Amino acid sequence: GESVGLHLPTLSVQEGDNSIINCAYSNSASDYFIWYKQESGKGPQFIIDIRSNMDKRQGQRVTVLLNKTVKHLSLQIAATQPGDSAVYFCAEKGYGGSQGNLIFGKGTKLSVKP
Amino acid sequence: NAGVTQTPKFRVLKTGQSMTLLCAQDMNHEYMYWYRQDPGMGLRLIHYSVGEGTTAKGEVPDGYNVSRLKKQNFLLGLESAAPSQTSVYFCASSFQVGETYEQYFGPGTRLTVT
Repeated sequence: GESVGLHLPTLSVQEGDNSIINCAYSNSASDYFIWYKQESGKGPQFIIDIRSNMDKRQGQRVTVLLNKTVKHLSLQIAATQPGDSAVYFCAEKGYGGSQGNLIFGKGTKLSVKP
Repeated sequence: NAGVTQTPKFRVLKTGQSMTLLCAQDMNHEYMYWYRQDPGMGLRLIHYSVGEGTTAKGEVPDGYNVSRLKKQNFLLGLESAAPSQTSVYFCASSFQVGETYEQYFGPGTRLTVT
């Protein structure tokens, strides 16, 4: 079956530094990816998404990079702040009969040290 | 707009009891989803609906039933609760048209089955 995985379960960074959260996917036909942020005790919140016809997409302090050759995407957070502490999930769009559903990875916990 | 709301926020059940979790959205979304989230497992899709009156199975549907009698509501039922169903349950909704497959999540229901 297809899967979306994360390289590191935890990441600790100093406030003000840049953070990079990585994600690997296994389905080379995947054409849509999305990142969510989940703070403790809350539901996931949308951060940014990207289609496979793009290599890079930028938002406010965040950038998602997609490398289709190695089936890898990353979320970069610039000037990380304490409010960025959360679990970050990548997800890919489902396919076949479940096209449109999202398949989530297990998440990376980001801790920001003041 | 309230977005996606879930009722109740917390619940404790004894093994064999039944209950219904209610999800409501006021964004006129066609698609609605129920996920469960367990430590280290990410979000796993239980059931979903692509419109009023329709439901479909997700990755982990066993032990759950759903109904979508009204477009704005999606109900998740546990007929005979088991300790393995102890989890945090999230509802989500989406348009699923155009360029984005973003799902909007509710705040979650924390269920403990003893």
